[in-house]
Amino acid sequence: EVQLLESGGGLVQPGGSLRLSCAASGFTFSTYDMSWVRQAPGKGLEWVTGISGGDGSAYYADSVKGRFTISKDSSKDMLYLQMNTLRGDDTALYYCARGTYGLDVWGQGTTVTVSS
Amino acid sequence: DVVMTQSPLSLPVTLGQPASISCRSSQSLVYSDGNTYLNWFQQRPGQSPRRLIYKVSNRDSGVPDRFSGSGSGTDFTLKISRVEAEDVGIYYCMQATHWPRTFGQGTKVEIK
Repeated sequence: EVQLLESGGGLVQPGGSLRLSCAASGFTFSTYDMSWVRQAPGKGLEWVTGISGGDGSAYYADSVKGRFTISKDSSKDMLYLQMNTLRGDDTALYYCARGTYGLDVWGQGTTVTVSS
Repeated sequence: DVVMTQSPLSLPVTLGQPASISCRSSQSLVYSDGNTYLNWFQQRPGQSPRRLIYKVSNRDSGVPDRFSGSGSGTDFTLKISRVEAEDVGIYYCMQATHWPRTFGQGTKVEIK
């Protein structure tokens, strides 16, 4: 069964950092693009970042560019999101999803709360 | 960034009746490879999003055939031929032709 399981969320102060993880299983992780998508409380979906399964090229939404970094470790079937200089508007449920063209599989999400 | 505009934002529907959601993009979604990367997602209350349709009109495995997608260029539509109770939720279009990827605001489907 294809699965994605996010972890690493929590409460962090403004200006702080957090690293999210996404464990993939049931498919050949190394060959797939991957994305992070977030959803602020009561709001819609926002694509945050994606990484190519081929050359590892990364792309970011303007709202996180320069603060967030996506990475993959194909030896561990893991996707990561390093989040620095966190702000209140980064508070959201963060999903990892398979793909950057289709987003056909989603995890259950991990919650990030940025507050003092 | 490509702006995706959905309408309506709220859609009350009678069980068994059809429903239609429009999604318009601020730029053409035709990619250089000839494909149009327009997806539709369903998010039921308390659940993760689920993809229903990819590349405008291709239904995902397990998606009931009452769901259909159509459109081209900048104008797209998701149709539900006969709404059932399990279709309640928020529907999002998402373009994956241009970087960064962008979602529509979402359309909330509820039963009258």
